Amino acid sequence: EPEVTQTPSHQVTQMGQEVILRCVPISNHLYFYWYRQILGQKVEFLVSFYNNEISEKSEIFDDQFSVERPDGSNFTLKIRSTKLEDSAMYFCARGTGGGEQYFGPGTRLTVT
Amino acid sequence: GENVEQHPSTLSVQEGDSAVIKCTYSDSASNYFPWYKQELGKRPQLIIDIRSNVGEKKDQRIAVTLNKTAKHFSLHITETQPEDSAVYFCAASPGSARQLTFGSGTQLTVLP
Repeated sequence: EPEVTQTPSHQVTQMGQEVILRCVPISNHLYFYWYRQILGQKVEFLVSFYNNEISEKSEIFDDQFSVERPDGSNFTLKIRSTKLEDSAMYFCARGTGGGEQYFGPGTRLTVT
Repeated sequence: GENVEQHPSTLSVQEGDSAVIKCTYSDSASNYFPWYKQELGKRPQLIIDIRSNVGEKKDQRIAVTLNKTAKHFSLHITETQPEDSAVYFCAASPGSARQLTFGSGTQLTVLP
């Protein structure tokens, strides 16, 4: 099954800057998720998005983060005022509604 | 919230041997248990999953078992091949498109 595409593949930013990571569905999906994976560690849930609304979010997803679907197609994760510890792989996933989640290729975020 | 423990953290087997990875979960509401394979620098890929109404599921050389009473589930890979070398993650979810909680991963190395 096709997953999603993500842009950019790698983003380097300075501490304190804002970044926007994009997830592009290949076809019409209703369920989207953002996860992050710090290098060498496990995958951690950030937020889920259903029918253009946040349905769940984790403790990691604080006021520094936001998600939106600005044009009804692309799905974005914004990180305001990045910190060094935000350096990680950020994965967008699309869901089926039945539980299965399929991950995109990820965006590597490096905060310097 | 849910907590998923995974063992072992590393596993080396000879080509052709079997590999077993075990996970335990804490939330009795979890009813969907996927397994992901992640090659270096790549996305987690869903390889097999099991739901709580099933005790075992098999797909060619891989199988998963679930013991809901004991809250543990396992991944079995038979006739291992070098291309099976990767990090394997278990996960748990209450289902219905809810978030996945991941284990810490197992680095499987298949020695030729």
